[in-house]
Amino acid sequence: QKEVEQDPGPLSVPEGAIVSLNCTYSNSAFQYFMWYRQYSRKGPELLMYTYSSGNKEDGRFTAQVDKSSKYISLFIRDSQPSDSATYLCAMTTETVFYGGSQGNLIFGKGTKLSVKP
Amino acid sequence: DVKVTQSSRYLVKRTGEKVFLECVQDMDHENMFWYRQDPGLGLRLIYFSYDVKMKEKGDIPEGYSVSREKKERFSLILESASTNQTSMYLCASSSPGTGGRNYGYTFGSGTRLTVV
Repeated sequence: QKEVEQDPGPLSVPEGAIVSLNCTYSNSAFQYFMWYRQYSRKGPELLMYTYSSGNKEDGRFTAQVDKSSKYISLFIRDSQPSDSATYLCAMTTETVFYGGSQGNLIFGKGTKLSVKP
Repeated sequence: DVKVTQSSRYLVKRTGEKVFLECVQDMDHENMFWYRQDPGLGLRLIYFSYDVKMKEKGDIPEGYSVSREKKERFSLILESASTNQTSMYLCASSSPGTGGRNYGYTFGSGTRLTVV
């Protein structure tokens, strides 16, 4: 079983739809959870960051972590064509890392989202 | 803003050439990473470094080497480029955050390398 599983899509939705993107993971020690957005031919950029469980909201974006189910979600409300991108989840166990790989992020493979006008 | 700058956006090289990919960050980050990204395979870690002159192998180091002579610069070297190294190469940096929190990575814009 891979450490982080993410449906690659592609996912196509009409403008204005609510989008749900998800990742599952196997390591119960993960406590930092992130979502990155990557536009075509660009590098990923950090979109949402969550420590431990719960929800975090930022404008039209909501990140949700359910540690009991080992499941994280990203919701996009009122989706726009400019949200068309690949979304990667990432997670890690460690708080502080000075040397070594303990704090390295584990990435999902990404879900490609297309929002049609 | 944190900036991670990769020297080239697009490169075309011939099989057997030695290829240098350069990455510079301006935020005094301790950790730097090189990934390659391929459709269906996601991000795969090639090498990372947590200090000057230190390097650690990632998941796919074969055919690559790295150099970190200065804190802000991390170079990826393809010793003898092959067609299966055609890929998007991404550099990233990170640092332990305030209060010991892990705030993830900042990525460069990527270098699209084609080996012919």
